[in-house]
Amino acid sequence: AQKITQTQPGMFVQEKEAVTLDCTYDTSDPSYGLFWYKQPSSGEMIFLIYQGSYDQQNATEGRYSLNFQKARKSANLVISASQLGDSAMYFCAMREDRGGTSYGKLTFGQGTILTVHP
Amino acid sequence: NAGVTQTPKFQVLKTGQSMTLQCAQDMNHEYMSWYRQDPGMGLRLIHYSVGAGITDQGEVPNGYNVSRSTTEDFPLRLLSAAPSQTSVYFCASRPLGDFSSPLHFGNGTRLTVT
Repeated sequence: AQKITQTQPGMFVQEKEAVTLDCTYDTSDPSYGLFWYKQPSSGEMIFLIYQGSYDQQNATEGRYSLNFQKARKSANLVISASQLGDSAMYFCAMREDRGGTSYGKLTFGQGTILTVHP
Repeated sequence: NAGVTQTPKFQVLKTGQSMTLQCAQDMNHEYMSWYRQDPGMGLRLIHYSVGAGITDQGEVPNGYNVSRSTTEDFPLRLLSAAPSQTSVYFCASRPLGDFSSPLHFGNGTRLTVT
């Protein structure tokens, strides 16, 4: 079974509008972390935002926020006020912190390509 | 700070050749890992290490070897290259003990096996 699922292969958004990229995950570990990365066409992996399983509030970093619904096992990325430079591939990833350590491996979803139209 | 440095950036190999992808980090991170990225499959973990002298297999280890003799370096060896190993390879590192710390990635190596 897929541990991380991103069901949207591609998304389109108009510049200055908000967009939500979906991510669902599967784990039985009570301690885990969720990460979002951006990969522009130049190929580098850029860390955007982190949410811990025990965090009470949704994470935010500038225009990025994470809509964390623990019971539904979803961790959707919301980008507000989209910019042309937001056009990229976006990856959701999960690290399971087995035994309460931070030794867990990071597992990635398949990615969503976001295109921002002017 | 250089961060995570991967060399080479591009490589073309013939089937059966061997080579080593180099990875070095200057952040004193205990954890290092290698991923491969293929279209439609996200990033898949090949091997990882939680410290010098300690390595373990990830999701797709076959055809690859690693070693970790120092904290800084984590080379990936292709023993006998196959066309199925054509991919983009990323090395990444992070500190242990900090749950919120993300993986820091190198810029990738694009490998083509003909």
